[in-house]
Amino acid sequence: DVKVTQSSRYLVKRTGEKVFLECVQDMDHENMFWYRQDPGLGLRLIYFSYDVKMKEKGDIPEGYSVSREKKERFSLILESASTNQTSMYLCASSLQLGPESRNEQFFGPGTRLTVL
Amino acid sequence: ELKVEQNPLFLSMQEGKNYTIYCNYSTTSDRLYWYRQDPGKSLESLFVLLSNGAVKQEGRLMASLDTKARLSTLHITAAVHDLSATYFCAVDPSLDSNYQLIWGAGTKLIIKP
Repeated sequence: DVKVTQSSRYLVKRTGEKVFLECVQDMDHENMFWYRQDPGLGLRLIYFSYDVKMKEKGDIPEGYSVSREKKERFSLILESASTNQTSMYLCASSLQLGPESRNEQFFGPGTRLTVL
Repeated sequence: ELKVEQNPLFLSMQEGKNYTIYCNYSTTSDRLYWYRQDPGKSLESLFVLLSNGAVKQEGRLMASLDTKARLSTLHITAAVHDLSATYFCAVDPSLDSNYQLIWGAGTKLIIKP
């Protein structure tokens, strides 16, 4: 079974703090993704990575950065947390196979971040 | 612009009834995914549809894909309360998509006893 874990289920931080959200997958997946989910807005891609040390901006990268130093770990960093970053953060991973691959994304349990 | 549209976005139905959720997309693709999300929880993969005409079934849920019409359906048969959740479809837009998926907005399904 694919397992994607996230460092915290719930997190409360103060405005201006630096926040680290960690995601680890144990299935040797090349691709990893960070999404945020807000009521009425669906899933929005923040950043993704298709290889170690590689990263690509998603739809809403502003205010976020990422780090992928090891294949299994993908970190999301909020340099200076703001109240509008209060959200559910979801990490996902997928295999990078050929055109016939399933390309299915597997999700972690999510981190509900509140910024006060 | 790549778009995935689900409808309805909200559905309240009685147990025992049948209903269909629709997922339309604007790009050529023959790979489509359905996910389920329970309140406060993460997304769980339900179905992976990899070709035109693909049909997958699990229990009271059946998903199908028509790539010519750019349409997938998720059919619920004789709904039960346990199927209450939000259902998302997602499309793999192309071979050079960098493996991103394009997501629908989700359909919140409430099944009343």
